[in-house]
Amino acid sequence: DAGVIQSPRHEVTEMGQEVTLRCKPISGHDYLFWYRQTMMRGLELLIYFNNNVPIDDSGMPEDRFSAKMPNASFSTLKIQPSEPRDSAVYFCASSSPGLGFLTGELFFGEGSRLTVL
Amino acid sequence: AQKVTQAQTEISVVEKEDVTLDCVYETRDTTYYLFWYKQPPSGELVFLIRRNSFDEQNEISGRYSWNFQKSTSSFNFTITASQVVDSAVYFCALSERNRDDKIIFGKGTRLHILP
Repeated sequence: DAGVIQSPRHEVTEMGQEVTLRCKPISGHDYLFWYRQTMMRGLELLIYFNNNVPIDDSGMPEDRFSAKMPNASFSTLKIQPSEPRDSAVYFCASSSPGLGFLTGELFFGEGSRLTVL
Repeated sequence: AQKVTQAQTEISVVEKEDVTLDCVYETRDTTYYLFWYKQPPSGELVFLIRRNSFDEQNEISGRYSWNFQKSTSSFNFTITASQVVDSAVYFCALSERNRDDKIIFGKGTRLHILP
């Protein structure tokens, strides 16, 4: 399997522009997570999906952020409009439940490094 | 409240020394999982270990060992005879059965192994 695939790997944009980050989970995984990593706040859970349905989006910073999962093999995280404080590395991860309960072995993509000028 | 604390922000040790990374967690749940992940300089997080709340046996995997103590709510990670390749950021994480499978990470400990 190719693992979790994220694109773009690097994005530099100007404040106010729309940013779309993409993720392809591992085939057969029915959980998908979006995390954001910054020096100040560490690794924060933004939102996660189970079977394409958003389960918890309480970590989404504000209305400028939105995430979708139109099918089992694709998810997007969109920021509109972007701001300099959104600069971070955004990780997508996928997993499949074990023992009837998500046992937490997440498979991470390589991340998308976003810089908003 | 669900919380994972890694008090050590950064640690530097000389190669071949042993080093322990601390992790303290808070939970009201009786069923939960604890994890350690490694983030090497390449950036991708890699799963190392998972422990459930009913299994307090310590685990050893090569030079890595984990000490889970419910009495102190700690899940510490020790690297024996450290190597330069162990240099990375290490994250401890927690998920609770009654929290919709949410996995929460600590802020990480950056480990430098000096040659």
